Amino acid sequence: DGGITQSPKYLFRKEGQNVTLSCEQNLNHDAMYWYRQDPGQGLRLIYYSQIVNDFQKGDIAEGYSVSREKKESFPLTVTSAQKNPTAFYLCASSTSGGQPQHFGDGTRLSIL
Amino acid sequence: AQSVAQPEDQVNVAEGNPLTVKCTYSVSGNPYLFWYVQYPNRGLQFLLKYITGDNLVKGSYGFEAEFNKSQTSFHLKKPSALVSDSALYFCAVRDASNTGKLIFGQGTTLQVKP
Repeated sequence: DGGITQSPKYLFRKEGQNVTLSCEQNLNHDAMYWYRQDPGQGLRLIYYSQIVNDFQKGDIAEGYSVSREKKESFPLTVTSAQKNPTAFYLCASSTSGGQPQHFGDGTRLSIL
Repeated sequence: AQSVAQPEDQVNVAEGNPLTVKCTYSVSGNPYLFWYVQYPNRGLQFLLKYITGDNLVKGSYGFEAEFNKSQTSFHLKKPSALVSDSALYFCAVRDASNTGKLIFGQGTTLQVKP
């Protein structure tokens, strides 16, 4: 079945450490997105990519970085500059036009 | 500014009763509107969308939504609620920049009691 796979499901970060969240899709979608979800705040866009080797900052990009070297993959790195990284991170993908975004099952990041 | 508002943090209904989850939006141009559902520790699942056409849109699991241009609303409805419908519901509108970005409301928790 086609879909989006996020790993790991749970991740713990130590002080000063960078961590990378994986997102892989086999839907042949051009566009991919990373969101952060905090209780009561809905989803906020971190980064998005409309095509391979290109990506743009979303609303809360500070302290995060991404790459898009392959169509299928859009990893997110949470750097030590992100002072409040505890959240649920969701990856999504879509085709162009008015098609809905498809979501992975998320990664929950916590601080040790 | 583009935005989505879900005015109710929580909606409580009894099983078998009709349910409505409210959403209003503000966006330039014609809106592309979506409803998603999220179960605990899971990603968002697409329920339905409005792009153009009939103002009443039917979606998955018996849900439907009514687009009202004059009131800039896109309320989610279901004629008869199930306990299994209890979840977090998000309304979203596509950003007018044509990048495919979505702007989400803050979410509404639906609690269906037996």
